[in-house]
Amino acid sequence: AQTVTQSQPEMSVQEAETVTLSCTYDTSESDYYLFWYKQPPSRQMILVIRQEAYKQQNATENRFSVNFQKAAKSFSLKISDSQLGDAAMYFCASTNQAGTALIFGKGTTLSVSS
Amino acid sequence: GAVVSQHPSWVICKSGTSVKIECRSLDFQATTMFWYRQFPKQSLMLMATSNEGSKATYEQGVEKDKFLINHASLTLSTLTVTSAHPEDSSFYICSARNLGSGNTIYFGEGSWLTVV
Repeated sequence: AQTVTQSQPEMSVQEAETVTLSCTYDTSESDYYLFWYKQPPSRQMILVIRQEAYKQQNATENRFSVNFQKAAKSFSLKISDSQLGDAAMYFCASTNQAGTALIFGKGTTLSVSS
Repeated sequence: GAVVSQHPSWVICKSGTSVKIECRSLDFQATTMFWYRQFPKQSLMLMATSNEGSKATYEQGVEKDKFLINHASLTLSTLTVTSAHPEDSSFYICSARNLGSGNTIYFGEGSWLTVV
């Protein structure tokens, strides 16, 4: 079984600053995927970034990057140059290659102040 | 790009009645869809995996007779909340896996259910 743990219920950052959201996971699979999703007040789930476990290189998407530490089963999200629009709930999630459902962490609510 | 659409976005029903929520993949075929439930300020809880042409697989603790899932075609899965009660009020979200797009997972917009 897969588990995903987010230990930061809330985080805050000032505009233009950098913030890191933590996530750890546990899985017995050898091949799996890790994701960060953003959920704004509209509740629409928005994919922020995705990482295939077999890839050693950390994924990046513009201002968003991850620090994937496979041995430590850690998958943190770094948001650089934070913007007001980044304020949302962020979920870390994992799934295996076989196509099972995404399993989500409890989420981190990020607030951004000007 | 690929879109998953849910309908209705909002629904209010009386206790004891049933309500159906639809999840459609608009431009890809989805052999597997997933239904989640989300309470305010909480995470998404997987309810069941919907498989086209076969019975859904329910997570532990989810009543399959209460939350009926049908996946009759490759683009449509439905969740029917039967004999709804106020405690069933929640946000329900579906997702679908697009195998033809690198196994990408797409989410519907979600459906708010209020049982009065």
